[in-house]
Amino acid sequence: DTEVTQTPKHLVMGMTNKKSLKCEQHMGHRAMYWYKQKAKKPPELMFVYSYEKLSINESVPSRFSPECPNSSLLNLHLHALQPEDSALYLCASSLGRMEIQQFFGPGTRLTVL
Amino acid sequence: GENVEQHPSTLSVQEGDSAVIKCTYSDSASNYFPWYKQELGKGPQLIIDIRSNVGEKKDQRIAVTLNKTAKHFSLHITETQPEDSAVYFCAAHSLGNDMRFGAGTRLTVKP
Repeated sequence: DTEVTQTPKHLVMGMTNKKSLKCEQHMGHRAMYWYKQKAKKPPELMFVYSYEKLSINESVPSRFSPECPNSSLLNLHLHALQPEDSALYLCASSLGRMEIQQFFGPGTRLTVL
Repeated sequence: GENVEQHPSTLSVQEGDSAVIKCTYSDSASNYFPWYKQELGKGPQLIIDIRSNVGEKKDQRIAVTLNKTAKHFSLHITETQPEDSAVYFCAAHSLGNDMRFGAGTRLTVKP
């Protein structure tokens, strides 16, 4: 298995909803990442997990809450989002934090109404 | 921190022609330079990468060159095909830091 999968593909939520994005990889990678990508912009790093521990949080608002239950899974819990949070949310993984070749999933297209 | 500039922002070529996209970086400690292709509605796909101890790398129709002195690297696509149409991102990475992406180049290959 050489890919990163993400669910759901699309998500529409209201500002009072709670939802979660899921990411999974079975390549034995020990570093996993969440990126946010707005239209016509490059991906922006949000969080980095290394060996299931949060190592970087790029000043992301607390309405985004990451979780890494095990080395294959990464979640992003969403609560009280704003319309400007609408974007493509990308998950990526790499062999390790210092192994820098990152592989991206297809993303979840999030729309906040 | 690292700053990556990418040019051009849009590029249109005729099928069969070559396409070149250029990036410059600011951090002389950067040592890894990947290129990603992103098609509409999909995540970025790693297409080629180069490390700082190598000046050039080629994979079929795609090549990347790196000039460490000038701090720039380029993506070369030869014999372009319509399926090469996508947004291409360069990135730079240094040990202990995270990848910084360029702003992207929208490549259109006209049949």
